Amino acid sequence: GQSLEQPSEVTAVEGAIVQINCTYQTSGFYGLSWYQQHDGGAPTFLSYNALDGLEETGRFSSFLSRSDSYGYLLLQELQMKDSASYFCAVRDRTGGFKTIFGAGTRLFVKA
Amino acid sequence: GAVVSQHPSWVICKSGTSVKIECRSLDFQATTMFWYRQFPKQSLMLMATSNEGSKATYEQGVEKDKFLINHASLTLSTLTVTSAHPEDSSFYICSALDPFNTGLDGYTFGSGTRLTVV
Repeated sequence: GQSLEQPSEVTAVEGAIVQINCTYQTSGFYGLSWYQQHDGGAPTFLSYNALDGLEETGRFSSFLSRSDSYGYLLLQELQMKDSASYFCAVRDRTGGFKTIFGAGTRLFVKA
Repeated sequence: GAVVSQHPSWVICKSGTSVKIECRSLDFQATTMFWYRQFPKQSLMLMATSNEGSKATYEQGVEKDKFLINHASLTLSTLTVTSAHPEDSSFYICSALDPFNTGLDGYTFGSGTRLTVV
């Protein structure tokens, strides 16, 4: 099966940088994705890593180390609107490339 | 980019009735769609993988007779919650895989359906 671990909550102030870590276990690892979800809304795609290294998309960056089964999402220049839940998700090649989500990290951004 | 339309966005039904949720890929053909359920402040739990023209693959612990999935065309998958009970109240979300874009935007989510069973 698959399992993912990420912190349940993170609090940071506006303008700061925050890193959300994710460790995973899966037999058919294909890639690691990050999604943002505001209360009451659907998840929106943020970033995807299939290879080791850092992917940068604006204020958000994501990192993957396949040898360590570890990744993180880096959010820079935090804004109040970044307060949301962030999910890491493993794309698994077994069973049709399904995506399995972590429990989510609730980010609170304070003024 | 790829768009997935999910309807209804919310529904309230009486206990014992059935509810159908539709998930449509609007600008691409989705041979595979995924159905998730999310309880408040919890993660998205994969319920089943829906494959066009074949039976859905259910995750362990998900009752296939209670959550009927039909993927009769390349653009439409439906989830029917049969004989719904209050414990089925949840947020149901579909996701489709664009077969020609398995990179960054491979997965697209619908907007979700909030089901309340009273």
